Amino acid sequence: AQSVTQLGSHVSVSEGALVLLRCNYSSSVPPYLFWYVQYPNQGLQLLLKYTTGATLVKGINGFEAEFKKSETSFHLTKPSAHMSDAAEYFCAVSSSGGSYIPTFGRGTSLIVHP
Amino acid sequence: GAGVSQSPSNKVTEKGKDVELRCDPISGHTALYWYRQSLGQGLEFLIYFQGNSAPDKSGLPSDRFSAERTGGSVSTLTIQRTQQEDSAVYLCASNPRAGHTEAFFGQGTRLTVV
Repeated sequence: AQSVTQLGSHVSVSEGALVLLRCNYSSSVPPYLFWYVQYPNQGLQLLLKYTTGATLVKGINGFEAEFKKSETSFHLTKPSAHMSDAAEYFCAVSSSGGSYIPTFGRGTSLIVHP
Repeated sequence: GAGVSQSPSNKVTEKGKDVELRCDPISGHTALYWYRQSLGQGLEFLIYFQGNSAPDKSGLPSDRFSAERTGGSVSTLTIQRTQQEDSAVYLCASNPRAGHTEAFFGQGTRLTVV
């Protein structure tokens, strides 16, 4: 079985401030982890993914995430928020234990203040 | 086109009517998923097709929901006798193959049952 918990349904930051969106997962087998972004009235777009190898992964738009097995976490960060980063962010996990069907968290809405 | 295409983009239907939602996956993608996204909720898995294997229907919420995939390509999600609680955005995604590769999402169909 696999699951994802995203802490905080809303995160508010000032433009230029650090962005930190939290994601914890549960998986009985090695997971594959993803962060997606959804802009209003659009589908989901992949930001970054972890499969194997380097635990710090870099994605588009300056985002990065670190896979920490000991903490079962895959938090998303960006050093400096931009107004255009305002969107809904989803963490997802897939694994052989879940038939490789991605399981998504409830999402975190990122609000960026000028 | 190069991406996942869903139609219609918006659908308003009367309670009790049947609706069909269509998904054209990326050419050559063997895996296809349907998810439901309700207001303020994450993505709820509905059904998964992988190649010629029997679909995983474990996420379908009731027997009013069904889906098929013809020729390993286009998929149709059918909701019979629609209810107001069926109002949501229905997202389709495809994947080159099950596993660590990411799912590519369409823009969704917004279904409103009145």
